[in-house]
Amino acid sequence: EPEVTQTPSHQVTQMGQEVILRCVPISNHLYFYWYRQILGQKVEFLVSFYNNEISEKSEIFDDQFSVERPDGSNFTLKIRSTKLEDSAMYFCASSLGDALWGQIFDTQYFGPGTRLTVL
Amino acid sequence: AQSVTQPDIHITVSEGASLELRCNYSYGATPYLFWYVQSPGQGLQLLLKYFSGDTLVQGIKGFEAEFKRSQSSFNLRKPSVHWSDAAEYFCAVGITGANNLFFGTGTRLTVIP
Repeated sequence: EPEVTQTPSHQVTQMGQEVILRCVPISNHLYFYWYRQILGQKVEFLVSFYNNEISEKSEIFDDQFSVERPDGSNFTLKIRSTKLEDSAMYFCASSLGDALWGQIFDTQYFGPGTRLTVL
Repeated sequence: AQSVTQPDIHITVSEGASLELRCNYSYGATPYLFWYVQSPGQGLQLLLKYFSGDTLVQGIKGFEAEFKRSQSSFNLRKPSVHWSDAAEYFCAVGITGANNLFFGTGTRLTVIP
């Protein structure tokens, strides 16, 4: 069964450093997402991406975050200057369709996550 | 604003016992409802989903969930728990016109022999 993969599984970085989290969505999916889960808190939506553009983003997704689909398979989340509060599990997800424009909500399939630790 | 509540942070059941995990949501219309499970070191695996129709939905691994509109609930059930069911369970809600899922805080299930 196709699945979403993420690398690395664990990333440790110093505060102020840039990190790039990588994801390979399911191959025929068109919509891509990033979520994060701070330890002990809810899984929170960060951003969705379609057709090489951000389609929706949350308040969390500020200027220090960016997303990119650099080639036909990878989807990346970049954090420009990490802060201690960026420490979290980051989940990538993909779906065939999405809920915007009145379409039926489509199921999102999640990767195993990348645990980011900022020291 | 949409919200999802999972009132039980941690549940412990004996192997072979029945299980019910609670989920309540707050939303003006009928949302799209999901249960995901996360085993240690694993991603969020979809157990089941409700979009419309029959309010009792069957999922993988012997799980089922029932949508009750009057109670704004979507509780997850399993008649006989196996040790391998020990994991974290997340209820999530999607709404038309928004891309994102709204998650509950999760319920950690411990299974004892």
